[in-house]
Amino acid sequence: KQEVTQIPAALSVPEGENLVLNCSFTDSAIYNLQWFRQDPGKGLTSLLLIQSSQREQTSGRLNASLDKSSGRSTLYIAASQPGDSATYLCAVIWNDMRFGAGTRLTVKP
Amino acid sequence: DTAVSQTPKYLVTQMGNDKSIKCEQNLGHDTMYWYKQDSKKFLKIMFSYNNKELIINETVPNRFSPKSPDKAHLNLHINSLELGDSAVYFCASSPVRWGGYTFGSGTRLTVV
Repeated sequence: KQEVTQIPAALSVPEGENLVLNCSFTDSAIYNLQWFRQDPGKGLTSLLLIQSSQREQTSGRLNASLDKSSGRSTLYIAASQPGDSATYLCAVIWNDMRFGAGTRLTVKP
Repeated sequence: DTAVSQTPKYLVTQMGNDKSIKCEQNLGHDTMYWYKQDSKKFLKIMFSYNNKELIINETVPNRFSPKSPDKAHLNLHINSLELGDSAVYFCASSPVRWGGYTFGSGTRLTVV
């Protein structure tokens, strides 16, 4: 069964801290993996897309890595800011996109 | 300007009614999807259409019927609405089935 798991479910950190969000998935035969951000009551904003042949992608303070063989991806956020507070969703594309339950991040000023 | 647009943004309706949600994408993508986000915020795929053809139909009550008049549009019609249908419904599209997804802003459906 193709499933996506995100740990932790919630995370609270002081402003300025570097942090790592974890995503694991069953079945390593993925096409792509995509990280999204969702603010309360809003839609999904794509952060990073990692193709199955890639090991990592970077955008500004965000870095996502992919280890297909171990079924893991991490999203690294450097120098966190209160504006980073949101739910972060990991999504894996097999025949279609399957989501983890998300990590709710709170960055305190 | 909006890449994937859904209408309406909010929908409040009574049990037993029939309603539709519309979705349009101007990205030229071949594949479109409907997802449901329940009260626990978990996103689950409902349908996938590739170039107007139904590809994936997850375990969804047959009261839900998607319709794709062309590859830029995927509408969701719901018959005999039930309280449990209350959720946020998201439309998405991708250039190919395994490409990066772009999501609409969601339709919050409340059945009373």
